[in-house]
Amino acid sequence: GDSVTQMEGPVTLSEEAFLTINCTYTATGYPSLFWYVQYPGEGLQLLLKATKADDKGSNKGFEATYRKETTSFHLEKGSVQVSDSAVYFCALRNYGGSQGNLIFGKGTKLSVKP
Amino acid sequence: NAGVTQTPKFQVLKTGQSMTLQCAQDMNHEYMSWYRQDPGMGLRLIHYSVGAGITDQGEVPNGYNVSRSTTEDFPLRLLSAAPSQTSVYFCASKATPTGTNSPLHFGNGTRLTVT
Repeated sequence: GDSVTQMEGPVTLSEEAFLTINCTYTATGYPSLFWYVQYPGEGLQLLLKATKADDKGSNKGFEATYRKETTSFHLEKGSVQVSDSAVYFCALRNYGGSQGNLIFGKGTKLSVKP
Repeated sequence: NAGVTQTPKFQVLKTGQSMTLQCAQDMNHEYMSWYRQDPGMGLRLIHYSVGAGITDQGEVPNGYNVSRSTTEDFPLRLLSAAPSQTSVYFCASKATPTGTNSPLHFGNGTRLTVT
């Protein structure tokens, strides 16, 4: 079945450091890919998405490019802030394989120190 | 702007007790779903609904029942709680079951402890 694998956390960075959180997927067909963010005590919020190969999703300084050849959707940010501390989830939606439901990775906790 | 509202925020149950986790959305969304979040496991889909009167099982449905009598409400029932159901539960909705441009909106979660 469809699945998402993302790097284990926690990740601890200093403010203004470069962030990469790796995400790879397994799916038949052409899934859409997402990054969600969960701040402490809250539900998940959509951060960015890409719906086809080579699309780049971006929001709040975060970017991720849909790479079909490597089945990857890595999240990057050039300069993190303390306010970016959260748990980040990679997810896919594949109407062919999972009835359009979102399949999530296990999440990566990011802590940014001042 | 209520969005997705879950109640209660916290609940402690004894093994064997029953309860219902409430979820309501005011966005007229067709699709609603329940996930559970466990450490190291990410979010796993329990049940989902693509419209009033229609429900289906997700990845981990055992021990849970749902119904969808109205568009707005999607309660999750635990008939006989077990310690393995200790988790954080999230309800989520989106405008249409299909359609990539329809993002999933999450409630703030219910933290359930079963002793």
